[in-house]
Amino acid sequence: DAGITQSPRYKITETGRQVTLMCHQTWSHSYMFWYRQDLGHGLRLIYYSAAADITDKGEVPDGYVVSRSKTENFPLTLESATRSQTSVYFCASSDYPEQYFGPGTRLTVT
Amino acid sequence: EDKVVQSPLSLVVHEGDTVTLNCSYEVTNFRSLLWYKQEKKAPTFLFMLTSSGIEKKSGRLSSILDKKELFSILNITATQTGDSAVYLCAVEAEYGNKLVFGAGTILRVKS
Repeated sequence: DAGITQSPRYKITETGRQVTLMCHQTWSHSYMFWYRQDLGHGLRLIYYSAAADITDKGEVPDGYVVSRSKTENFPLTLESATRSQTSVYFCASSDYPEQYFGPGTRLTVT
Repeated sequence: EDKVVQSPLSLVVHEGDTVTLNCSYEVTNFRSLLWYKQEKKAPTFLFMLTSSGIEKKSGRLSSILDKKELFSILNITATQTGDSAVYLCAVEAEYGNKLVFGAGTILRVKS
């Protein structure tokens, strides 16, 4: 399918577990982004990537790890999930100036 | 710290009304300001503004930027129920399309 996809769409996990959220885009955009969206905060940037093997921290990177070995994939890993990481996570890719957002992953940490 | 503030946080209007959404910003290195619409899913792009005083228009939506006073407005005329959404303002403050978002304005249009 063309576009940007995320998986899983919904995830419930326990405190302390590692969880990986997947993001895949078919446009070969260079830039990709991970955001979290919480009520009252809008979208906050977690990590971004300018190209394969180039990543950098955003506004709220603590507790998250990213990698980008291929242009089309940009997984986000929560190394040891905490309740404060309960949120909706959006992946995006950029065809400047527009960012195209995936459908989001709703993550609940119990 | 870069900051984007939107107002009002929410509003309810009736179909046919005109609404104005506000976005003010404080960033160290302004490059552009963008508006997004978010319904019950992913945000979708509306406008990008880079120059003061030049109105961007798409149908019933229009937006303008004031770089001196550091704000932008998004106008929606003749509102429809399909305009109900969260409207997000974002500022690109660094090269690389890194965006700082405001908290959004929740618009509800009643029929």
